[in-house]
Amino acid sequence: NAGVTQTPKFQVLKTGQSMTLQCAQDMNHNSMYWYRQDPGMGLRLIYYSASEGTTDKGEVPNGYNVSRLNKREFSLRLESAAPSQTSVYFCASSELITSSGNTIYFGEGSWLTVV
Amino acid sequence: GENVEQHPSTLSVQEGDSAVIKCTYSDSASNYFPWYKQELGKRPQLIIDIRSNVGEKKDQRIAVTLNKTAKHFSLHITETQPEDSAVYFCAAQGPVTGANNLFFGTGTRLTVIP
Repeated sequence: NAGVTQTPKFQVLKTGQSMTLQCAQDMNHNSMYWYRQDPGMGLRLIYYSASEGTTDKGEVPNGYNVSRLNKREFSLRLESAAPSQTSVYFCASSELITSSGNTIYFGEGSWLTVV
Repeated sequence: GENVEQHPSTLSVQEGDSAVIKCTYSDSASNYFPWYKQELGKRPQLIIDIRSNVGEKKDQRIAVTLNKTAKHFSLHITETQPEDSAVYFCAAQGPVTGANNLFFGTGTRLTVIP
C-alpha cells in the first residue's frame, strides 16, 4: 500500500516548456488535490477533483490544467512554464471531500524549478 | 471564503520546554481543525485534529485547544524533543459541501535546540 505517489520528484524546466506531473493513489479515495508550497505561503490549492469525472479550480489555478484520468490518477499540467511556477508541488487525496473531518494524505512532493 | 492565520511563523525553544502555535479562522461555520507536521523534505502528515464540539484533545505530548467563540485554536507541544523540529500547519474545514472547504495556515517552523 504505497498511499499517494507522484512523479517526477525533481524537474528543471526552461521558461515556456510544458510538463505533466503524475499522481496516483491506491487508497480507493474519491477526492484528489494538487497543492503548491512556497516559502511563507503555506499550502495553496491549485485544483481539486471531488470525485472521478469532476475537477474544480482552487485558490491559484492560473497557468495549470488538470485531468482526473480515473479514480486513481490525477495529473497536473503546466502548458507554458514560468519562473513564478518554481515551487514544490504536492498531490493529495482523501476519502470524500464532502465529509467533514476526512484526513488528507499527501504525496512526497515534486520539486520544480523553472529557469 | 475561510481565512486561516497562523502565528508565529518561526519558533525556537530549548529541548524540554513547551511550544505553542496559534491559529485563527474567519468562518464561524468551520467545524474541523487538523494539524499537520512536515519534516524537512518530507510530506505533511496529520498529527492531531479537533472537532468543533470538543474544547481540547490530547495525544501524549501534543494537545490542541479550540475556542469557538474567539475563533482560534492552538497546538501545544510539551517536553519538546529535537525530533519535534519541523514545520507545523494548522487548517480549518467548513461544513459539508460539494466543494473544497479545507484551508491551511501559512505554517510555523519549530526548531528545538538540544
